[in-house]
Amino acid sequence: AQKVTQAQTEISVVEKEDVTLDCVYETRDTTYYLFWYKQPPSGELVFLIRRNSFDEQNEISGRYSWNFQKSTSSFNFTITASQVVDSAVYFCALSEAQTGANNLFFGTGTRLTVIP
Amino acid sequence: EAGVVQSPRYKIIEKKQPVAFWCNPISGHNTLYWYRQNLGQGPELLIRYENEEAVDDSQLPKDRFSAERLKGVDSTLKIQPAELGDSAVYLCASSLDLGGGPDGGRAYNEQFFGPGTRLTVL
Repeated sequence: AQKVTQAQTEISVVEKEDVTLDCVYETRDTTYYLFWYKQPPSGELVFLIRRNSFDEQNEISGRYSWNFQKSTSSFNFTITASQVVDSAVYFCALSEAQTGANNLFFGTGTRLTVIP
Repeated sequence: EAGVVQSPRYKIIEKKQPVAFWCNPISGHNTLYWYRQNLGQGPELLIRYENEEAVDDSQLPKDRFSAERLKGVDSTLKIQPAELGDSAVYLCASSLDLGGGPDGGRAYNEQFFGPGTRLTVL
């Protein structure tokens, strides 16, 4: 069965610090997709990134970077030089091609607070 | 382009009362999802529609929950009667599902989420 674990419930950092949000997943499928979503106080889930299981290349987008390691079943998210606007709940999610690539299984989320 | 629209944004009802939520997906999106997000948890899929057809409703508590997507556009999720444990945020999402994918599986198509309806059952 699929599972996504975000062990960090809450993290607080001071503005401009770097912060890494951890995500560990479990799946038996060989083809799967991993995601990060941001949920600001307004409640709307905002898509940040999708990676498929065949592409372990790390990705950088501005201050955001993602480290995908199949060997440890992890897909960690780093925010560099954090800003107050980064304060939100961040969710890692998994979907499996064979059981329904569009069926997202979310972790419990990590609440990030960036202190000015 | 307008995003996924949901209404109402907030709803407070007493237990045993009925309640309904409405979702208007992004224009042209053929797949629609309803999720429930309990406090401090990630969203959990309740039901997924491809056009008018409910293709995955395995997590929908069918004794009190029902959903419909007439004409394959707007959708309504209903709870009757509501229980205290139904207090949650109900999220609607939509995507344009083009099908196909590696290993015969279905390729992922990005889901766009609405702002949700926060339900409080007293």
